[in-house]
Amino acid sequence: NAGVTQTPKFQVLKTGQSMTLQCAQDMNHEYMSWYRQDPGMGLRLIHYSVGAGITDQGEVPNGYNVSRSTTEDFPLRLLSAAPSQTSVYFCASREGGVSGEKLFFGSGTQLSVL
Amino acid sequence: SQQGEEDPQALSIQEGENATMNCSYKTSINNLQWYRQNSGRGLVHLILIRSNEREKHSGRLRVTLDTSKKSSSLLITASRAADTASYFCATEIPGSEKLVFGKGTKLTVNP
Repeated sequence: NAGVTQTPKFQVLKTGQSMTLQCAQDMNHEYMSWYRQDPGMGLRLIHYSVGAGITDQGEVPNGYNVSRSTTEDFPLRLLSAAPSQTSVYFCASREGGVSGEKLFFGSGTQLSVL
Repeated sequence: SQQGEEDPQALSIQEGENATMNCSYKTSINNLQWYRQNSGRGLVHLILIRSNEREKHSGRLRVTLDTSKKSSSLLITASRAADTASYFCATEIPGSEKLVFGKGTKLTVNP
């Protein structure tokens, strides 16, 4: 059971480039989310999804797009990378519809934008 | 703005001592969760306490929740060097599908 898988683990981009961070889970979880983690800022929610075809914004959605065409996958797209998007990105999932379910996290993607 | 704030930001203790971390939050909650993050890794769920619970135990972990003060504490007893990590509280807000994290407490347990 792989859990939550994120790819790539590391990425370097130039300002203005676009890219997609991949996230897949094999636990049939309805809920998936993306966080970014910056020093001294903790984890901040970017976007989340409560099921296939449904997405919503978190605390810091600007500059990022998401889609949820399947239950398993929740890719995060950077449309035009900026140095302010240098961060560690975590994808997380949990069972949906019931309050109090714990999140399962991927191992993260470390992104540097030059 | 952050919903949860951990205190202290950093804590250094000797192996065998107890470690206490606190979390304060701003709004009403469904539940409060604690997570652990080892350096360079993803977060791992430790324990969840619901808004109608006051105390919960799991192994060497003890969590308390005081909804009147909007605060929670995580106690790790008889700490080990392997407990060295960052610890985060996260709150689930009623009517929201979001789990909002604090900034974390960095715990160092010295052998």
